[in-house]
Amino acid sequence: AQSVTQLDSHVSVSEGTPVLLRCNYSSSYSPSLFWYVQHPNKGLQLLLKYTSAATLVKGINGFEAEFKKSETSFHLTKPSAHMSDAAEYFCVVVPRGGSQGNLIFGKGTKLSVKP
Amino acid sequence: DGGITQSPKYLFRKEGQNVTLSCEQNLNHDAMYWYRQDPGQGLRLIYYSQIVNDFQKGDIAEGYSVSREKKESFPLTVTSAQKNPTAFYLCASSSQGGYTGELFFGEGSRLTVL
Repeated sequence: AQSVTQLDSHVSVSEGTPVLLRCNYSSSYSPSLFWYVQHPNKGLQLLLKYTSAATLVKGINGFEAEFKKSETSFHLTKPSAHMSDAAEYFCVVVPRGGSQGNLIFGKGTKLSVKP
Repeated sequence: DGGITQSPKYLFRKEGQNVTLSCEQNLNHDAMYWYRQDPGQGLRLIYYSQIVNDFQKGDIAEGYSVSREKKESFPLTVTSAQKNPTAFYLCASSSQGGYTGELFFGEGSRLTVL
């Protein structure tokens, strides 16, 4: 069965320092992986996606993620955090063979950015 | 501008009452979804619809009902049978049935049962 694990429920960084949000997945095949961002009391927005093309994926707002098959990881990074990055981030895997459209969401990582 | 509109943004309900959450999209998407979000639990799928007049249960459909009479609209009714309805509800849509993982979300409706 496919699954996704976000290793940190809460990450706190200072403005201008790097961001690392960790995501591991479990899958018997090469999956499609996504990161979504949710600002407080808002809907989710697609940040970036991996669909078996380049393993280093660039997204919006300076974020990027690297697919590492050997480590079954898809960690999200940003070189320099901005106050506006404070939000909750979700790692998502698209299953095969399950219910159509039933994406598997991680439990989320809340990012805090200190001035 | 194209997008998804959810209403109301905040809703209070007494125990035993049914409530209906509205979701409208003008993206011309075929597929629509309802998710429930609770703190620390990510998103869980309630119902989804791939085409008009057709919908399927998700992982936590008990106590909820939906309809899909128009392509643009996918309302969710939270019935009195839902034992713990207080949550944040998110509606989403996609152009390819979710296979690509690219969902467009509304801004959510927060339901509180008093």
